[in-house]
Amino acid sequence: QVQLQQSGPGLVKPSQTLSLTCAISGDSVSSNSAAWNWIRQSPSRGLEWLGRTYYRSKWYNDYAVSVKSRITINPDTSKNQFSLQLNSVTPEDTAVYYCARESPRVSGNAFDIWGQGTMVTVSS
Amino acid sequence: DIQMTQSPSSLSASVGDRVTITCRASQSISSYLNWYQQKPGKAPKLLIYAASSLQSGVPSRFSGSGSGTDFTLTISSLQPEDFATYYCHHSYSTPRTFGQGTKVEIK
Repeated sequence: QVQLQQSGPGLVKPSQTLSLTCAISGDSVSSNSAAWNWIRQSPSRGLEWLGRTYYRSKWYNDYAVSVKSRITINPDTSKNQFSLQLNSVTPEDTAVYYCARESPRVSGNAFDIWGQGTMVTVSS
Repeated sequence: DIQMTQSPSSLSASVGDRVTITCRASQSISSYLNWYQQKPGKAPKLLIYAASSLQSGVPSRFSGSGSGTDFTLTISSLQPEDFATYYCHHSYSTPRTFGQGTKVEIK
């Protein structure tokens, strides 16, 4: 079955870059029928979609306006994974970060598979 | 951005009760509405997609209805394992957005 395994540091200093990776098993980051998302959750913001990457004959990205100037989501086809980079973090970026799959053919455009979550704290 | 508003924010119910949670979108989203269950320390779990389709493996006591702007999640007979927080989410366009959640607690 499809699984997503997240990795990355749980503590990031203010102004530095938050970097997380989501390794995919049972599916392909290059699938023409899936999209690969990053979502975060905090008490103040609730569940917040950050962005996604997907392949439809070429690579596309969509990002939330709230983080668009600071975010990069990249696929890594050699390792079948995708990553999140969030630059210039502040304590407001403290949250649990999730990766998730959208699979239109399996479950509409819902997030049907989730990573385990990574608690990231921004603090000096 | 499309805003998703859930009600109530929390509710208390007993095992066996019928529970209804509503979600309203700030504009029409057709049937691009999904429901998730989240328990403490865990990732959200997909229950219902496309407003009324039951995700594989989810008990049939969960059902969803609605289209356009108004949607409902119903639990026909609440079980002990159903005490959790429930979220709606639209997938009509980007940015995807979520409701603020409804916490279902034991009465």
